[in-house]
Amino acid sequence: EAGVTQFPSHSVIEKGQTVTLRCDPISGHDNLYWYRRVMGKEIKFLLHFVKESKQDESGMPNNRFLAERTGGTYSTLKVQPAELEDSGVYFCASSRQNINGYTFGSGTRLTVV
Amino acid sequence: TQLLEQSPQFLSIQEGENLTVYCNSSSVFSSLQWYRQEPGEGPVLLVTVVTGGEVKKLKRLTFQFGDARKDSSLHITAAQTGDTGLYLCAGVGGGSQGNLIFGKGTKLSVKP
Repeated sequence: EAGVTQFPSHSVIEKGQTVTLRCDPISGHDNLYWYRRVMGKEIKFLLHFVKESKQDESGMPNNRFLAERTGGTYSTLKVQPAELEDSGVYFCASSRQNINGYTFGSGTRLTVV
Repeated sequence: TQLLEQSPQFLSIQEGENLTVYCNSSSVFSSLQWYRQEPGEGPVLLVTVVTGGEVKKLKRLTFQFGDARKDSSLHITAAQTGDTGLYLCAGVGGGSQGNLIFGKGTKLSVKP
């Protein structure tokens, strides 16, 4: 079974630019999550999709972040416009139904300069 | 706000030694998970503990969930160089299922 795939693995952009991160969950996993780790801090929850619906987006920092999951398959997380404090590693995870089947991707390291 | 305090933050030991990592909170969690993360990779789930007082063993790793479900520990017996990595605890608390609250992690280095 293929794992959770994230693209790109690294991205360096200038402040004010737009970046789109993509996550392909494990096939058949209805639950898709986005997390972020800022340097020196713990990994923090951003949002949770169940199929194409946003179940919980309480962790999204502000309206510069937009997540979508059209068709309930892959998801994108767009940051527009990017700010310096958005730098960090963005992780995607998926699960079939319950918390025990939680699988993380390798993450996208975003650097805003 | 639910927080998980993990200690120690860094741990450097010799191969063959034993170690314990702690994860503490003032909040109750419905379950708690331990992950291991390698550089450049995402966290990999090691175990989930659900019941207060539960003890789970995974080869040389022993995981315990506190009776009040507010704390947990990870004990490694006879550490090996392959155990080197970042160990993270994560609690399942409020919000929708899947909203994990992570500790900052313990960076373990096992020297030969």
